[in-house]
Amino acid sequence: GQQVMQIPQYQHVQEGEDFTTYCNSSTTLSNIQWYKQRPGGHPVFLIQLVKSGEVKKQKRLTFQFGEAKKNSSLHITATQTTDVGTYFCIPGNNRKLIWGLGTSLAVNP
Amino acid sequence: DAGVIQSPRHEVTEMGQEVTLRCKPISGHDYLFWYRQTMMRGLELLIYFNNNVPIDDSGMPGDRFSAKMPNASFSTLKIQPSEPRDSAVYFCASSWAGGLNEQFFGPGTRLTVL
Repeated sequence: GQQVMQIPQYQHVQEGEDFTTYCNSSTTLSNIQWYKQRPGGHPVFLIQLVKSGEVKKQKRLTFQFGEAKKNSSLHITATQTTDVGTYFCIPGNNRKLIWGLGTSLAVNP
Repeated sequence: DAGVIQSPRHEVTEMGQEVTLRCKPISGHDYLFWYRQTMMRGLELLIYFNNNVPIDDSGMPGDRFSAKMPNASFSTLKIQPSEPRDSAVYFCASSWAGGLNEQFFGPGTRLTVL
């Protein structure tokens, strides 16, 4: 399976601040998926990016797929306490998604 | 659809006992995944099935772990004998076309081995 490097591993922000997590791969990805896991919960699918340079938005969340399809980012504008959780980026090059530690986001009210 | 169903939600057992975790995937999904999550190691894929056939079990920690999928609507993960280091949250997930489509996770089973 293929794995990406996700940074940062942890991030603490004040409510209202922006937040970004990055995923980097050494090889070209056919697609990338993003998931969110709330504390005590299970991973929930957010979005899938397929096209080079693709940008998708979900309310305050903006997802990007790099032109070379080797990196991706998730940006949250004006974080809220409901954004707390761990965000995973998963390459979907093959049938087996490789998970890691993700980025854990804490939001101080 | 009720989503992926797992049972039990919590399991506390003593070292050496057999533990069986159960999963019912979403109807129509042809891939089923078993994961283990700990603080130290994050989310690890243990094994996955395609059309009830085990495809990759390279993530299974050893021969104490076994998984079966007797039909498209049921799978088990068994640990025998259990050890304290097996304590974790175990997730089952299902999807259509594996990594090409989103995975739907069950609520997980929190296992504590004393």
